[in-house]
Amino acid sequence: DARVTQTPRHKVTEMGQEVTMRCQPILGHNTVFWYRQTMMQGLELLAYFRNRAPLDDSGMPKDRFSAEMPDATLATLKIQPSEPRDSAVYFCASGAFGQGQYFGPGTRLLVL
Amino acid sequence: EDKVVQSPLSLVVHEGDTVTLNCSYEVTNFRSLLWYKQEKKAPTFLFMLTSSGIEKKSGRLSSILDKKELFSILNITATQTGDSAVYLCAVGTGTASKLTFGTGTRLQVTL
Repeated sequence: DARVTQTPRHKVTEMGQEVTMRCQPILGHNTVFWYRQTMMQGLELLAYFRNRAPLDDSGMPKDRFSAEMPDATLATLKIQPSEPRDSAVYFCASGAFGQGQYFGPGTRLLVL
Repeated sequence: EDKVVQSPLSLVVHEGDTVTLNCSYEVTNFRSLLWYKQEKKAPTFLFMLTSSGIEKKSGRLSSILDKKELFSILNITATQTGDSAVYLCAVGTGTASKLTFGTGTRLQVTL
């Protein structure tokens, strides 16, 4: 049963620390998305890649967030330095042409 | 700016009732409309719709898209308590089907 995996599932850190979240997309999916979900804002698209190339990262605060896809099996989202307002659930999703997007279990981040 | 609006915001029904959830959209370069179910975890994919008037069905759930009037509905018949969740509508645009999500409809099914 193919699924998107994310690590870590939970992260508690202090303001100013670096946070790295990882995602393994479903094998064969060529599009990878990073979302953030909060009670106030709902699901927001942060960045997405197709065939490992970044297509749009306009949803990300560029000064502190960065997203990369070093190979087809790994996508990363990094926050440096982290702030309390970054506390949220971060989802990775993958998809392919003509298919839906499938979400990973999420990383629940709390920045103190 | 792309916009997806869902209604109602929340709904409480009795087990066995039939419910209809609505999703309307205003986007450029429409590709697809997707429905997700979210309980206390990640959104779970339900349907993807790309053509008007063709119903997609999975068990007690069904959905249809009207590209002329720019809306979709999700029907759940004979609801069960396990259907309690937030139902999210998302519209895919552009060549990579970037998704814009609605705020969701919170459905509670009571005994």
